[in-house]
Amino acid sequence: QQQVKQSPQSLIVQKGGIPIINCAYENTAFDYFPWYQQFPGKGPALLIAIRPDVSEKKEGRFTISFNKSAKQFSLHIMDSQPGDSATYFCAASEYSNSGYALNFGKGTSLLVTP
Amino acid sequence: DAGVIQSPRHEVTEMGQEVTLRCKPISGHNSLFWYRQTMMRGLELLIYFNNNVPIDDSGMPEDRFSAKMPNASFSTLKIQPSEPRDSAVYFCASSFQRGLTGELFFGEGSRLTVL
Repeated sequence: QQQVKQSPQSLIVQKGGIPIINCAYENTAFDYFPWYQQFPGKGPALLIAIRPDVSEKKEGRFTISFNKSAKQFSLHIMDSQPGDSATYFCAASEYSNSGYALNFGKGTSLLVTP
Repeated sequence: DAGVIQSPRHEVTEMGQEVTLRCKPISGHNSLFWYRQTMMRGLELLIYFNNNVPIDDSGMPEDRFSAKMPNASFSTLKIQPSEPRDSAVYFCASSFQRGLTGELFFGEGSRLTVL
């Protein structure tokens, strides 16, 4: 079963708009929440990540907002550009001594129109 | 630096045939992951290894799937016999995990089509 629920499935915004992608989880042991970006024909690549001890993290035009009590986190893309058109995946993992694997959401296909 | 290298990039086979996908992780990484991507199910974790030891294979769909990591620089994912529903893009990823850190680096994937 999907441990991380992501919405919306697809999103279309105009250049300069602020797309927002949301994710929710149930496992309170998750302690690492990254976002990955995937372009067609390529593997996903890390975009930005957050840990539950902070509520917000910004890197350039990308911001993660994290709400620990609601078990939700979201990605905001400021001043979106056509080059941001890609599929975005949220993920979560729980640390263990034997390593950890990412549980991904189903992805959001973002199209930024000129 | 070379990233994660997967082969073949594309594979078309007939139902019932054996398929072997290969992965060379980034040198120095201690964890390796196999994911499967489909439109319906997104990115699913199949199995992951830490220091060449399988840690969690609960995502492997059934006995037709097997994965090995004989050494730190090579892993295989085998499907025998293959079925049309196995058609997907299979990704290998590696990371260096120490404590709470460890970015996953993905290969470009192997697109499998089973006719």
